[in-house]
Amino acid sequence: GQQLNQSPQSMFIQEGEDVSMNCTSSSIFNTWLWYKQDPGEGPVLLIALYKAGELTSNGRLTAQFGITRKDSFLNISASIPSDVGIYFCAGENSGGYQKVTFGIGTKLQVIP
Amino acid sequence: DVKVTQSSRYLVKRTGEKVFLECVQDMDHENMFWYRQDPGLGLRLIYFSYDVKMKEKGDIPEGYSVSREKKERFSLILESASTNQTSMYLCASSLSTGYTFGSGTRLTVV
Repeated sequence: GQQLNQSPQSMFIQEGEDVSMNCTSSSIFNTWLWYKQDPGEGPVLLIALYKAGELTSNGRLTAQFGITRKDSFLNISASIPSDVGIYFCAGENSGGYQKVTFGIGTKLQVIP
Repeated sequence: DVKVTQSSRYLVKRTGEKVFLECVQDMDHENMFWYRQDPGLGLRLIYFSYDVKMKEKGDIPEGYSVSREKKERFSLILESASTNQTSMYLCASSLSTGYTFGSGTRLTVV
């Protein structure tokens, strides 16, 4: 099945640094989603983007829906230890059974 | 808040056993999904269901089956467990945008 190209696959950063990760696809999507998975838990939806070019913030998180509808990025500002986890991008098209295509994930480690 | 509950957090089963993983959601969602998660491979869709008694194969259905007798419950069945089915299994449900995931079941087949 199709997967999105998500990069980087892992990152080690110092507490307080900003983080950027992105996702690209060969197909267009109507909706881009970003999830975070804490260790030992299921992924939780962080941000949903519905329109090409849309920029949305949720606290220290900012995500953008690429203008071509084939990419998205997520920024985390001033990282803290609880930002540790795996971040997944996902693309979704309306209609049908609402099947979502996931990226492979970015594993983030924050060094205090 | 929507809740998706997976019956077990950890399971250890023997090769050849029939294994049932149960998932229940409490918000009347139409769509339910089973994924497995392995390091370096991300989330891979096993089966999904868009209505009671309906099921569709995902990307990796081999060795698995599912059952959806009631709207709120979606079961994943490993007919004869094998060691390559050792993995984290995630159930999800959805109504509109995005999924709500359960906490996962970490299955080890020995």
